Amino acid sequence: GQNIDQPTEMTATEGAIVQINCTYQTSGFNGLFWYQQHAGEAPTFLSYNVLDGLEEKGRFSSFLSRSKGYSYLLLKELQMKDSASYLCAVRGNSGYSTLTFGKGTMLLVSP
Amino acid sequence: DTAVSQTPKYLVTQMGNDKSIKCEQNLGHDTMYWYKQDSKKFLKIMFSYNNKELIINETVPNRFSPKSPDKAHLNLHINSLELGDSAVYFCASSQDWVGLHYNEQFFGPGTRLTVL
Repeated sequence: GQNIDQPTEMTATEGAIVQINCTYQTSGFNGLFWYQQHAGEAPTFLSYNVLDGLEEKGRFSSFLSRSKGYSYLLLKELQMKDSASYLCAVRGNSGYSTLTFGKGTMLLVSP
Repeated sequence: DTAVSQTPKYLVTQMGNDKSIKCEQNLGHDTMYWYKQDSKKFLKIMFSYNNKELIINETVPNRFSPKSPDKAHLNLHINSLELGDSAVYFCASSQDWVGLHYNEQFFGPGTRLTVL
């Protein structure tokens, strides 16, 4: 089975940097995804890590440590539009692309 | 151009009724999924189809019956609706079913189902 933990809520200020952590315990691992979901909308893909290390993509970066079962999503130069839920999802090693999602971290960016 | 579309966007119905949700993707993907997101925003896989064939069924009650007439469409029919079925249902698609590469999933806008 898969167990994925992430904080329920976080708050930050416009222009700041925020780090959203995700820890996982899985029977197999074949990649970790971060999705962004604005209220009332569909999740949209942000990042993918399968090897240890940092992946950078503009203002967003994602880090993975497989030995620690740990990932984080780093958001820089926060903007009001970054207020959303951030979902950590793990793909198992069954051979399928099925994702198991965490419960999401609601990020509120204030002026 | 809409990549993954669902209809209807909202569905309000009485307990015991039967309803369907339709999903279409124009990305040329082989694999499609149904997810349920409950009131606590927990997104959980229900079914996965690859090229019209069922490949994943996550112990969903048999009141839920997916149907894939072709690889661009995956519909969800729900019989004898219950209060606990109230949720947002998301359809998604990916290039294929293989978990060996990137294979990002693209989500539809969701269908908010309310059972009264």
